[in-house]
Amino acid sequence: LAKTTQPISMDSYEGQEVNITCSHNNIATNDYITWYQQFPSQGPRFIIQGYKTKVTNEVASLFIPADRKSSTLSLPRVSLSDTAVYYCLVVIYSSASKIIFGSGTRLSIRP
Amino acid sequence: EAGVVQSPRYKIIEKKQPVAFWCNPISGHNTLYWYLQNLGQGPELLIRYENEEAVDDSQLPKDRFSAERLKGVDSTLKIQPAELGDSAVYLCASSLLGRANTGELFFGEGSRLTVL
Repeated sequence: LAKTTQPISMDSYEGQEVNITCSHNNIATNDYITWYQQFPSQGPRFIIQGYKTKVTNEVASLFIPADRKSSTLSLPRVSLSDTAVYYCLVVIYSSASKIIFGSGTRLSIRP
Repeated sequence: EAGVVQSPRYKIIEKKQPVAFWCNPISGHNTLYWYLQNLGQGPELLIRYENEEAVDDSQLPKDRFSAERLKGVDSTLKIQPAELGDSAVYLCASSLLGRANTGELFFGEGSRLTVL
């Protein structure tokens, strides 16, 4: 399993762009990079996933360099409601059971 | 579309008592997961089902935990007897197998257990 490392916490302000970087040096060829968001007293919510280059949806963008040893979740113009814990996961495509969460990044957005 | 439904949302019991949690996945989802989440930590996988078969229960403490998914739809997670250290949030997630292969799961709101 590819181990992921991400900041324990980050702070930002409303209207700013927030980038959370995750390192996964041992990522394998078939692995996918997946990000989840979790608000207090709720279950995690899938945000975005990617394999390489850039993926964008209505919530976020995911940037993956060519070597895939890291990835960056980008949240454009954050608001107070983006305060949450963000988890970076590396998922082994060949085995759906290996969906392993780390400790995540606690993002705090201030007015 | 209805999401993953879990009950109860909160449960307080005394140690050594039994407790059960119920999960109804999103209609049509053939994979179902149970996770445990301690305060300030990420979810930890307990068991995964494909239809009615438990395909990965290696992290389930089988001396006191049991789970079932009869008919491949809803699922029950049971703890008997509960210990103080079992206080946590128990999360259920479901997905279609193809989406689960890339890590896309849909979680319920969880069942918060407090053991006194």
